[in-house]
Amino acid sequence: AQKVTQAQTEISVVEKEDVTLDCVYETRDTTYYLFWYKQPPSGELVFLIRRNSFDEQNEISGRYSWNFQKSTSSFNFTITASQVVDSAVYFCALLNRDDKIIFGKGTRLHILP
Amino acid sequence: DAGVIQSPRHEVTEMGQEVTLRCKPISGHDYLFWYRQTMMRGLELLIYFNNNVPIDDSGMPEDRFSAKMPNASFSTLKIQPSEPRDSAVYFCASSRQGIYSPLHFGNGTRLTVT
Repeated sequence: AQKVTQAQTEISVVEKEDVTLDCVYETRDTTYYLFWYKQPPSGELVFLIRRNSFDEQNEISGRYSWNFQKSTSSFNFTITASQVVDSAVYFCALLNRDDKIIFGKGTRLHILP
Repeated sequence: DAGVIQSPRHEVTEMGQEVTLRCKPISGHDYLFWYRQTMMRGLELLIYFNNNVPIDDSGMPEDRFSAKMPNASFSTLKIQPSEPRDSAVYFCASSRQGIYSPLHFGNGTRLTVT
């Protein structure tokens, strides 16, 4: 079965704290893509990162970093020194060889000033 | 560069009425997607087009839903007749190189069917 699980429905942290959003996926395929999208209060989803299954290098972009571990089927997202503007719903997604993109249910992140 | 444009932003209609949602993708993007977002089911892909041709409509819930893309700059999603369970936010997204590419989403249309 193809599945994306974001176990954390909602997280609240105080500004400047680090926060990690978990994503665990299931797939039978050896070739697949993983994505993270951000949905701010304005509503539109914004692409953050894409990772293919053969690239296990971790990625850092400013305060954002992603930890891809095939051994645990996880693709976790960490925000360092969080800011109020990071408040949003974050979605992890899986794209497999069937060309079906499956989104997780999302994690709502509240950054408190 | 204008993003994906959807209209209307909000739509309230009565059960049984026809509803048409509109989308203008980013110029030069060959792929267009329609998604539906609800609390219960999350984000679901309804249908996507490549070069104006429907490629996969397996996510369309039932015959009451139809989507068209008459040209590269316009697509519609129609629900006829609408039902309360169709209430959701409907997103249109486009991409340059298909489903493996980052999707650019519109702001969505919030549909309420009473």
